[in-house]
Amino acid sequence: EVQLVESGGGLVQPGGSLRLSCAVSGLTYSTYWMSWVRQAPGRGLEWVANIKQDGSDEHYVDSVKGRFTISRDNAKNSLYLQMSSLRAEDTAVYYCALAAGWELAYWGQGTLVTVSS
Amino acid sequence: DIQMTQSPSSLSASVGDRVTITCRTSQTINNYLNWYQQKPGRAPKLLIHDASSLQSGVPSRFSGSGSGTDFTLTISNLQAEDFATYYCQQSDSAPLTFGGGTKVE
Repeated sequence: EVQLVESGGGLVQPGGSLRLSCAVSGLTYSTYWMSWVRQAPGRGLEWVANIKQDGSDEHYVDSVKGRFTISRDNAKNSLYLQMSSLRAEDTAVYYCALAAGWELAYWGQGTLVTVSS
Repeated sequence: DIQMTQSPSSLSASVGDRVTITCRTSQTINNYLNWYQQKPGRAPKLLIHDASSLQSGVPSRFSGSGSGTDFTLTISNLQAEDFATYYCQQSDSAPLTFGGGTKVE
């Protein structure tokens, strides 16, 4: 069974930093693109970033460029999102998702990030 | 960036109805159009990928169609468990944008 489990969410002050993790099991993690997707309270889905199988290529939505960094450790079957200079508008549930092909076929349960003073 | 226009934003339906949701992209995509279902408090679930391919385990009452810039998700014979919010998403090019969602209630 494929499982994705996020961790690292919590309450952080504006301007602060946070690192999210996603542990993947049940398949050969290193052969898939991975993404982070977020959902602000009561809002729709917003794709945040993705990373190639070997970590050699990354893409970001404009609103997080220069503030967020996606990375992965294939030896640990793990995905990360380093978030800095956090803003109130970054408050959301953050999901990690695995791309089988180009579609996001598997999702974690999400971790809540709240940016507030 | 590719913009996604999904309609309607909400619709009212009954069990047994046929429901159609549309998604329009701001430029032609290579049928890299996916549909997801999300229920409150849950992660999204992939229903359709590549415009018309049914994801494994998804009931056959869900179907997708379209090409170019216009795509459709159809739910035939709506069931009680289908009341949810549906999103389209393009995976043709980064950023991988989502539509605004359609709440079926």
